[in-house]
Amino acid sequence: DAGITQSPRHKVTETGTPVTLRCHQTENHRYMYWYRQDPGHGLRLIHYSYGVKDTDKGEVSDGYSVSRSKTEDFLLTLESATSSQTSVYFCAISKTTSGPGETQYFGPGTRLLVL
Amino acid sequence: RKEVEQDPGPFNVPEGATVAFNCTYSNSASQSFFWYRQDCRKEPKLLMSVYSSGNEDGRFTAQLNRASQYISLLIRDSKLSDSATYLCVVITGGGNKLTFGTGTQLKVEL
Repeated sequence: DAGITQSPRHKVTETGTPVTLRCHQTENHRYMYWYRQDPGHGLRLIHYSYGVKDTDKGEVSDGYSVSRSKTEDFLLTLESATSSQTSVYFCAISKTTSGPGETQYFGPGTRLLVL
Repeated sequence: RKEVEQDPGPFNVPEGATVAFNCTYSNSASQSFFWYRQDCRKEPKLLMSVYSSGNEDGRFTAQLNRASQYISLLIRDSKLSDSATYLCVVITGGGNKLTFGTGTQLKVEL
């Protein structure tokens, strides 16, 4: 157990509304990630963070922003939700200080439905 | 061609059977490989790393074939509890890029 929680666990929202998902970890790991998982696609990286206020884009970052003001929290924001952002969102951490390419531990996921 | 490809299955096998999955990758510079397990509506969890020499963990054996660019997972004496989706993960780009396969679904039946 890597001590990762995500909130909310489920959310239904309407197109055009802003949505913020929260990832919280209790072990002070440096690297945190946001992925989305959709049928027919593997987990795809949205954004990641390598420290407080240090973030970078992943493979599918358009329409998403992130913030990390504290080590333990990594927030994912959909500025104006679209139906194509209906997905399951997973937060992950890696227990490493040398780089992100290590084993990753995932949170329980957030199921988001955009109507 | 996808960077990482897996047969989606499902593989339906009886309890006690041996089953094997392959995962092919396109980038010959890929450096690290893993198998993750994902239960229905749950998060992925690391099953095992894949080493060049092959490695075993109980009933599970993972192998890497760099020449043909694939990794494999062998499960012996399948249990009902092995029913899940198995994801392969390939790391490239100096360790900075993880690419997940779409997963292979395994169903173990009585």
